[in-house]
Amino acid sequence: GAGVSQSPSNKVTEKGKDVELRCDPISGHTALYWYRQRLGQGLEFLIYFQGNSAPDKSGLPSDRFSAERTGESVSTLTIQRTQQEDSAVYLCASSLVAGGYYNEQFFGPGTRLTVL
Amino acid sequence: DQQVKQNSPSLSVQEGRISILNCDYTNSMFDYFLWYKKYPAEGPTFLISISSIKDKNEDGRFTVFLNKSAKHLSLHIVPSQPGDSAVYFCAASGSARQLTFGSGTQLTVLP
Repeated sequence: GAGVSQSPSNKVTEKGKDVELRCDPISGHTALYWYRQRLGQGLEFLIYFQGNSAPDKSGLPSDRFSAERTGESVSTLTIQRTQQEDSAVYLCASSLVAGGYYNEQFFGPGTRLTVL
Repeated sequence: DQQVKQNSPSLSVQEGRISILNCDYTNSMFDYFLWYKKYPAEGPTFLISISSIKDKNEDGRFTVFLNKSAKHLSLHIVPSQPGDSAVYFCAASGSARQLTFGSGTQLTVLP
């Protein structure tokens, strides 16, 4: 497909379990972003990858959250020892370049995470 | 501390009329602003943007206005159509690469 894809679309887990969320960016996009949206709130930045540079992890809420990206392809967001407050829609976006005047980010449909 | 604020959680407008969605920001380092539209169960989609060197950008029925002195931007949709009903997010970008989003405004266009 031509767009950003994410899997799974829905994930229900028990408190304390680990989860992995996957993002496939648009081919050729060098920048990849993870955001989350809690119920009734705006999108909250988590982490950003640009090419082979060190990722910007400034938005990760705790050390239970981590993300990896291999080159300019797939990214995985991992949440360890999930808590109920981690329940949210996790959105991935990619862009052709990062920053500047053309920072148009294309979003995937998101993964809805529910922690029981 | 919210750097981008959308103070109206919802807005209802009659079909054919103008919709005006507002957004305020506090960080003077933001130099690029975007509006995204989001339907339920889908990711946000880019709608229109404006750089800080402009005060207006128009694309069909959509116009974004930027007032830098007031740190305020607005999105005008005219004429509004029922298919425009969605959540609209204002976002801003500066030297940091990520976007800072507002909390969104649910627009409902009544037929």
